[in-house]
Amino acid sequence: DAGVTQSPTHLIKTRGQHVTLRCSPISGHKSVSWYQQVLGQGPQFIFQYYEKEERGRGNFPDRFSARQFPNYSSELNVNALLLGDSALYLCASSFALDYLTDTQYFGPGTRLTVL
Amino acid sequence: AQTVTQSQPEMSVQEAETVTLSCTYDTSESNYYLFWYKQPPSRQMILVIRQEAYKQQNATENRFSVNFQKAAKSFSLKISDSQLGDTAMYFCAFPSGNTPLVFGKGTRLSVIA
Repeated sequence: DAGVTQSPTHLIKTRGQHVTLRCSPISGHKSVSWYQQVLGQGPQFIFQYYEKEERGRGNFPDRFSARQFPNYSSELNVNALLLGDSALYLCASSFALDYLTDTQYFGPGTRLTVL
Repeated sequence: AQTVTQSQPEMSVQEAETVTLSCTYDTSESNYYLFWYKQPPSRQMILVIRQEAYKQQNATENRFSVNFQKAAKSFSLKISDSQLGDTAMYFCAFPSGNTPLVFGKGTRLSVIA
């Protein structure tokens, strides 16, 4: 079975631009979560979507937004890019039946560089 | 705030030896899962092992096992018969509030031939 897929693999943007990252979950999983991982740190939670509804949001500015489509794939959008947005963006999928006993499986990530 | 602490930024181990990575956490929940993830240089975050907090028996997956002390909120990972392919960053993580996973800062493990 295919795992979580993300596109693109790498992306280079300049300050002020907009970026869209894409994620397809494991077949049968209805939840997608997004994380930002700055170099040398653990991932930080950005959003979780379940059945196309936002289920949770981390401490990120409104420049970050996301959505989930009927086929459960997801997009993460970041507007007005800042140098500090340079990071590895990880997508994870899960069944998300219960927050506390859910298991997340990660994609390979998208490396975003903002110049 | 719920936190995860990994007190060993870096560790090294000889091939075929055993190493233990430490993790402590803070939560007010009574039933939850705890996780160890591995992130090799390829960047892919890979699930290593999962522990159910309401189970007293420690989880085991081949060469990987945990020592889970619920009262002490301690969740260490033991890697037996270390292999070169075990070289990676290891993250301890657990769910908290509306956050699916809260991660520690990670431990960089190097396996030396």
